[in-house]
Amino acid sequence: DGGITQSPKYLFRKEGQNVTLSCEQNLNHDAMYWYRQDPGQGLRLIYYSQIVNDFQKGDIAEGYSVSREKKESFPLTVTSAQKNPTAFYLCASSIRQGHTGELFFGEGSRLTVL
Amino acid sequence: AQKITQTQPGMFVQEKEAVTLDCTYDTSDQSYGLFWYKQPSSGEMIFLIYQGSYDEQNATEGRYSLNFQKARKSANLVISASQLGDSAMYFCAMRDFLNAGNNRKLIWGLGTSLAVNP
Repeated sequence: DGGITQSPKYLFRKEGQNVTLSCEQNLNHDAMYWYRQDPGQGLRLIYYSQIVNDFQKGDIAEGYSVSREKKESFPLTVTSAQKNPTAFYLCASSIRQGHTGELFFGEGSRLTVL
Repeated sequence: AQKITQTQPGMFVQEKEAVTLDCTYDTSDQSYGLFWYKQPSSGEMIFLIYQGSYDEQNATEGRYSLNFQKARKSANLVISASQLGDSAMYFCAMRDFLNAGNNRKLIWGLGTSLAVNP
């Protein structure tokens, strides 16, 4: 079945460590996104990519990095520079020139910094 | 500034009854789209329904309908014949068509938690 796969589902990290969250899609979508979700704050955009080898910062990019070497993959690295990385991270994709532009999401990765 | 407001942090509904989840939005743009997503406890966000600002009829998708009142800037989600599996968080979101093809301008509300009682 087509969809978005995020891994790992749960991740624990010690302070000062970088961690990479995986996001893979087989929907043949051009655009991919990373969102952060905190309780009571809704979804906030971290990074997005419209095409391979190109990506743009979202509203809260500081302390995060991404790459888009393949159309199917958009990994997110949470660096030690991110002050408060404990959160739920959602990856999404969309057809670049879709009629409505609805997003398709993965099941998320929950990161806890110990 | 563009904004989405969901005033109901939590809602309860009896199984098989209908429920309305409120969403108001603020934008100065004439061309925009409104979305509703469902987030069950598993965490995945599931697209439910879409309404374009120029659509004359309210959108419907199965048991979901969107009560779109443009003058009031409201886009309420109506779920008919509630089922236990409808228990989840529900998010309203808005897309600015000036960035069509670029969902960077997807503005999200804070969500409403719906509990369906048997």
